[in-house]
Amino acid sequence: EAGVTQFPSHSVIEKGQTVTLRCDPISGHDNLYWYRRVMGKEIKFLLHFVKESKQDESGMPNNRFLAERTGGTYSTLKVQPAELEDSGVYFCASSLWTSGGDGYTFGSGTRLTVV
Amino acid sequence: AQTVTQSQPEMSVQEAETVTLSCTYDTSESDYYLFWYKQPPSRQMILVIRQEAYKQQNATENRFSVNFQKAAKSFSLKISDSQLGDAAMYFCAYRRAETSGSRLTFGEGTQLTVNP
Repeated sequence: EAGVTQFPSHSVIEKGQTVTLRCDPISGHDNLYWYRRVMGKEIKFLLHFVKESKQDESGMPNNRFLAERTGGTYSTLKVQPAELEDSGVYFCASSLWTSGGDGYTFGSGTRLTVV
Repeated sequence: AQTVTQSQPEMSVQEAETVTLSCTYDTSESDYYLFWYKQPPSRQMILVIRQEAYKQQNATENRFSVNFQKAAKSFSLKISDSQLGDAAMYFCAYRRAETSGSRLTFGEGTQLTVNP
């Protein structure tokens, strides 16, 4: 079974540019999550999709962040325009709808550096 | 709101010895799950162990075990017979006990170094 795939693995962009991160969850996983870890701090929740619908986007920091999940499959997270404080590692995770106490399967993350 | 605290930013252990990583949390819920995740240098986070709050018995997975103290809201991870491959960032996480879909709340992480 393929895991959760994220790309790019690294991205370096200038302040004011746009970046799009992509996450391919495990096939059949209805739940898809985005998390972010800013250097040295805890991993924070950004948002949660159930299939193509946004179930919870309370963690999105501001309207420069836009997440989509096309047809309930892969998801993209766009940052436009990027600011210095957006630098960090962005993680995607997925889980089955029926999973109870199981943890999620995480991707390897995208390390975003805004200069 | 739930919070998770890991008070040890860094820990080190000698190979083959035992180390304990600390985690405390705060919640008003009575039923929930707790997890320890490991993030090796390759960066993919891996689930190490989980604990259901309604179970009194501490979870164990091979060399990894937890000390779950529900009243004290403490959830420490013990790694026995430490190996070089255990070197990683360890995150403690909390999740509400819904059927599905609740978010994970993470601590700040503990960087574990294993010395040969």
